[in-house]
Amino acid sequence: GDSVTQMEGPVTLSEEAFLTINCTYTATGYPSLFWYVQYPGEGLQLLLKATKADDKGSNKGFEATYRKETTSFHLEKGSVQVSDSAVYFCALSFSSGSARQLTFGSGTQLTVLP
Amino acid sequence: GEEVAQTPKHLVRGEGQKAKLYCAPIKGHSYVFWYQQVLKNEFKFLISFQNENVFDETGMPKERFSAKCLPNSPCSLEIQATKLEDSAVYFCASSQSRDVYGYTFGSGTRLTVV
Repeated sequence: GDSVTQMEGPVTLSEEAFLTINCTYTATGYPSLFWYVQYPGEGLQLLLKATKADDKGSNKGFEATYRKETTSFHLEKGSVQVSDSAVYFCALSFSSGSARQLTFGSGTQLTVLP
Repeated sequence: GEEVAQTPKHLVRGEGQKAKLYCAPIKGHSYVFWYQQVLKNEFKFLISFQNENVFDETGMPKERFSAKCLPNSPCSLEIQATKLEDSAVYFCASSQSRDVYGYTFGSGTRLTVV
C-alpha cells in the first residue's frame, strides 16, 4: 500500500540555521504531496503542497520540490525561527476524482533554540 | 463558523466504558474525516462522510467503533467498550470540495482510557 517515510526526529536547531526534513514515499501512481505542521495542542495546518512532478510548494519561507525520480518531497527552510518549533508531517493523497484520505508520515519534531 | 469544532478537548474513560466524541464541521463543508493519532505521532484514517452518508470506512475497527453525521447535528464518533489501546487524540477534518486540498482540521479530542 501507499506509505510515507520521514526523517526521524527530534531535530534541534539554533535560530537562523538551515533546515532539511527528509520525506520519501511509496505509491502506485502519482500522488499529490503535502507538508502539514502541528503546533502544540492544535490541529494540523497545511504548510505547502505539490500536485505533480517538479512542482515546488512554498509558504512562510518553507519549500519542498516534488521529485518523481527519487520519490521524495524534502522540506527546507533557509533560516528557522523559534516560532517554527512544531511537529512536521509529510503526507500524500490521490485526490483526483474522489475524496481520498491522507496517508501521513510519522512526523518530525523540530525545536528551534534562540 | 470558520473552524472545525471538536468536543470535548479531553475525555477520560475507564476500560470498558463508552466514549463519544463530537465534531462540528465548517458550515457548507460537505465532507468530514476522522483520524486517530496514536503514540509517536502516527495518524490513522478512520472514516469519511459525504454529508450524512459514509464515504469511506476502510479504517474503522468495526466491532467497537461507529460514527454518524446527521443533518443539523454535530458528527459523532463513538467507541463502545473502550480499550487501553484506544487512548489517542482523535482529529476531525472537514472539506468543501471532493479533493483533499480543502481540509481544515479541528484541534482534536484527547481520549485517555485508564
